[in-house]
Amino acid sequence: QQQVKQSPQSLIVQKGGISIINCAYENTAFDYFPWYQQFPGKGPALLIAIRPDVSEKKEGRFTISFNKSAKQFSLHIMDSQPGDSATYFCAASTRGYKLSFGAGTTVTVRA
Amino acid sequence: DVKVTQSSRYLVKRTGEKVFLECVQDMDHENMFWYRQDPGLGLRLIYFSYDVKMKEKGDIPEGYSVSREKKERFSLILESASTNQTSMYLCASTTLGVVGKLFFGSGTQLSVL
Repeated sequence: QQQVKQSPQSLIVQKGGISIINCAYENTAFDYFPWYQQFPGKGPALLIAIRPDVSEKKEGRFTISFNKSAKQFSLHIMDSQPGDSATYFCAASTRGYKLSFGAGTTVTVRA
Repeated sequence: DVKVTQSSRYLVKRTGEKVFLECVQDMDHENMFWYRQDPGLGLRLIYFSYDVKMKEKGDIPEGYSVSREKKERFSLILESASTNQTSMYLCASTTLGVVGKLFFGSGTQLSVL
């Protein structure tokens, strides 16, 4: 049973567009919410992360929005570029290192 | 840069074989993990280790065991491989006090025939 539910499974966006990936969780003990990015043939790498005491975190073109009351968080990729084409995983943890991952979203950015 | 190295990129084994997947990290990390990655299921934690000779079950430990005799090396063992263990296996490590930042290897694609 997946503790973090992620959608959509895949999405296609035009270059310059906005990609949005959503995640939801039930366990209110989760206190850390990272996003990982994985390119083909590589392992996932930490992209950006947020704690539940803030509602938004932005790093360059990547933004996490967090809604604690709804137990949802999302990743927005602004001005999407072909180099952003990858699989994105949301995750959550209670002790900082034992992560529960979502199912993943494959993002394809068309030039 | 942190480097997590998995011994094989691709591995093909027969049903019933004993399989060893090896992982080595070069940053003196205390915590090491084994995940399997399957389409539509994401990454699922098999086992993790927070110290030499210490191990803890993850979410899907059945059919697997692990060994950590040295701090830098963490092995995943399939005692009797089955076809439903065909998957991508990912090793990761992290250090105490660094929250949520796992460093992953490139993975081993295991096929059990």
